Amino acid sequence: GQQVMQIPQYQHVQEGEDFTTYCNSSTTLSNIQWYKQRPGGHPVFLIQLVKSGEVKKQKRLTFQFGEAKKNSSLHITATQTTDVGTYFCAVIQGAQKLVFGQGTRLTINP
Amino acid sequence: ETGVTQSPTHLIKTRGQQVTLRCSSQSGHNTVSWYQQALGQGPQFIFQYYREEENGRGNFPPRFSGLQFPNYSSELNVNALELDDSALYLCASSYPIVGPRGYTFGSGTRLTVV
Repeated sequence: GQQVMQIPQYQHVQEGEDFTTYCNSSTTLSNIQWYKQRPGGHPVFLIQLVKSGEVKKQKRLTFQFGEAKKNSSLHITATQTTDVGTYFCAVIQGAQKLVFGQGTRLTINP
Repeated sequence: ETGVTQSPTHLIKTRGQQVTLRCSSQSGHNTVSWYQQALGQGPQFIFQYYREEENGRGNFPPRFSGLQFPNYSSELNVNALELDDSALYLCASSYPIVGPRGYTFGSGTRLTVV
């Protein structure tokens, strides 16, 4: 089945700095989803990307799907303390399940 | 519109015991999936129920079983608990199956096996 590798595993930034997490696959992905999990919380759906080269924005968050549909990224501009959490990419395998990456844990120094 | 609710929120069990976790899906969602999330890891797919039938299963042993009821709520049962079963168990609902709006996850049940 499809697997996704997510890097980095951890990222610590100063508040106001930018942050990027990457999700890579050896196979072409039909789509990719991104989730955020706050410390002690549960994953919350952020977005789904389906088209080659797709770019979507949500306020300070920018999501990209690679031209070859083998990678994706999430970029946060000017991080705020509310951005703290673990960001997961996930791919839909078959019609049934999400396969999650390992996640990137973001911590922020205020 | 109610979200996904799970009960209990925390649970401590002894190795070898059995446990039942419960999930009420979001209104209008007919698909329920269960995930296990070990500390510091991403969620791992256990199985999915669609219209009361198991609709896919991950790499978990048969001692992990489930049910879905006519109102789309669901139970996860784990028999013969092992220490490695300690994890956050997440229920997720969706309609249709893994649709473009993603899964709505419940707050989870934190299971500790001692």
